[in-house]
Amino acid sequence: GENVEQHPSTLSVQEGDSAVIKCTYSDSASNYFPWYKQELGKRPQLIIDIRSNVGEKKDQRIAVTLNKTAKHFSLHITETQPEDSAVYFCAARAGGTSYGKLTFGQGTILTVHP
Amino acid sequence: GAVVSQHPSWVICKSGTSVKIECRSLDFQATTMFWYRQFPKQSLMLMATSNEGSKATYEQGVEKDKFLINHASLTLSTLTVTSAHPEDSSFYICSTIVGWREFTDTQYFGPGTRLTVL
Repeated sequence: GENVEQHPSTLSVQEGDSAVIKCTYSDSASNYFPWYKQELGKRPQLIIDIRSNVGEKKDQRIAVTLNKTAKHFSLHITETQPEDSAVYFCAARAGGTSYGKLTFGQGTILTVHP
Repeated sequence: GAVVSQHPSWVICKSGTSVKIECRSLDFQATTMFWYRQFPKQSLMLMATSNEGSKATYEQGVEKDKFLINHASLTLSTLTVTSAHPEDSSFYICSTIVGWREFTDTQYFGPGTRLTVL
């Protein structure tokens, strides 16, 4: 089955700095890669996603890149703000018989210091 | 957008009792529902996949007799934790997909149910 590794487990930055979180996946059949922000006690909130037919996607301060050859994808947050502090999860989803099943990374605790 | 609701949002029960968690799709039909579990300070793990009108499929290591899943209608899937024990205390979240085409779909999560077993 799919295996997703996420690094770093914790990330501390100063407000205004950039933050980068990286994930690798094992199943070359995976074609959907979402990133979630989760606040304590709440459901994961989709912040950006990328599909295998695209190499990069940007939404304001957030961007995601995908390298299918190397099987890794990254989340980039620019101009970080204290409200960006949360736990971030990457995930991968394959198609075919595994369609719909998300495999999550271990999570990154992001702390943005004012 | 599509909305998925869960009930209850939190529940505290005694060890040995059974707890039912409901997951409803409010304005669309969900033929498939995914059930995830998240232990404190850990990631989300898929437990099982339920399909309307058929038996659920369980991920490796998940006891199907302990976690009973019923998907009797296109808008309701239920997860029953039978004979709950403290190690079952977790955050249970359902999820489904709208628009079942692999390059245009959207995945939605319910708000989750916090189960605490004393």
